[in-house]
Amino acid sequence: AQSVTQLDSQVPVFEEAPVELRCNYSSSVSVYLFWYVQYPNQGLQLLLKYLSGSTLVKGINGFEAEFNKSQTSFHLRKPSVHISDTAEYFCAVSERRGRRALTFGSGTRLQVQP
Amino acid sequence: NAGVTQTPKFRVLKTGQSMTLLCAQDMNHEYMYWYRQDPGMGLRLIHYSVGEGTTAKGEVPDGYNVSRLKKQNFLLGLESAAPSQTSVYFCAGKQQGLNTEAFFGQGTRLTVV
Repeated sequence: AQSVTQLDSQVPVFEEAPVELRCNYSSSVSVYLFWYVQYPNQGLQLLLKYLSGSTLVKGINGFEAEFNKSQTSFHLRKPSVHISDTAEYFCAVSERRGRRALTFGSGTRLQVQP
Repeated sequence: NAGVTQTPKFRVLKTGQSMTLLCAQDMNHEYMYWYRQDPGMGLRLIHYSVGEGTTAKGEVPDGYNVSRLKKQNFLLGLESAAPSQTSVYFCAGKQQGLNTEAFFGQGTRLTVV
């Protein structure tokens, strides 16, 4: 079984400031790691994913994340946020075999202020 | 190419009523999933399917049933709706292969009064 913990339910930040959204996971098997973004009243859109290889993963909209196996973390970062980045962000893991369903964290609401 | 389409988008039910949510995909997804999203809890897996004619329970299956008679459709049924089933429901699909991503529908907002 897997579990995902997003330590911050809300993160307020000023426009053009850097931001880090934290994610830790636990799993007894090898997993893939994902970050999804959800804009108001919309579905989920994939930001980035870690499957294997380089631990620094770059995604869309200037976001990147770093996989740290020893700390079982997959934190999301952006060096300079925009108002349009205001949304809810979900960290998720999926098994590499079997049903390959996503297990989600509880989400972090990023609020970018002018 | 519509992707993953959910119908209806909104629905209000009275306690005890039944309804079916439809998820249709035209992306040749082998795997399909139903999730519910509740505030502060992220998305939780209700049921899933790894192919036409097969379904299985997820983490929160009680009060729901599913069917996948055709590969492109995955139906979620509520036989007797309860207020605890008030939620936003998301369908997702995924192709076979290790490196494929899941694509989500736009969601169905269900209120049970």
